[in-house]
Amino acid sequence: KAGVTQTPRYLIKTRGQQVTLSCSPISGHRSVSWYQQTPGQGLQFLFEYFSETQRNKGNFPGRFSGRQFSNSRSEMNVSTLELGDSALYLCASSLQGAREKLFFGSGTQLSVL
Amino acid sequence: GENVEQHPSTLSVQEGDSAVIKCTYSDSASNYFPWYKQELGKRPQLIIDIRSNVGEKKDQRIAVTLNKTAKHFSLHITETQPEDSAVYFCAVYYTDKLIFGTGTRLQVFP
Repeated sequence: KAGVTQTPRYLIKTRGQQVTLSCSPISGHRSVSWYQQTPGQGLQFLFEYFSETQRNKGNFPGRFSGRQFSNSRSEMNVSTLELGDSALYLCASSLQGAREKLFFGSGTQLSVL
Repeated sequence: GENVEQHPSTLSVQEGDSAVIKCTYSDSASNYFPWYKQELGKRPQLIIDIRSNVGEKKDQRIAVTLNKTAKHFSLHITETQPEDSAVYFCAVYYTDKLIFGTGTRLQVFP
């Protein structure tokens, strides 16, 4: 069974640009959640999608958005990039949601210059 | 909202010793408490979890204890080995989302 796949692995962007990250969950998993990981801050919850609907959202500005497709694949978009957006972005999938084991992808390392 | 505090931020132990990491939370409605381990350059992986109707859970050298009254839970690793070296994150399930602690970097010296 294939694991959670995130693409691209690395991204370098400049301030003001926008970026789209992709996450393919484990087959059969309907929940995909996104986290931002920075040194010293742990994993901060961005949002969760379930059956193409955003079910939950963290405390991030509206520049951060996402969506989920009918095959459960999810994308995350960040517009008008800021230096502080540099981080490792992790997605995690599960069958039903966060009250069970999450399977994480390897992440996308975003650097904003 | 829920607030999760994790201590210590770094922990160094000698191989064979025990390690304890503690997390506190603020909302008594929280009812699921997993622990994730992230080795250097790898993805986080669930190592153990506990639900609010249980006080303790063990899995070989790893155990988690939960004190609902005091709103804290702890990860205990016995007989530590070099491969236990990693960052450990506690998490709390609250209002349909997982809130993570800031992590503990555990170093096990041979």
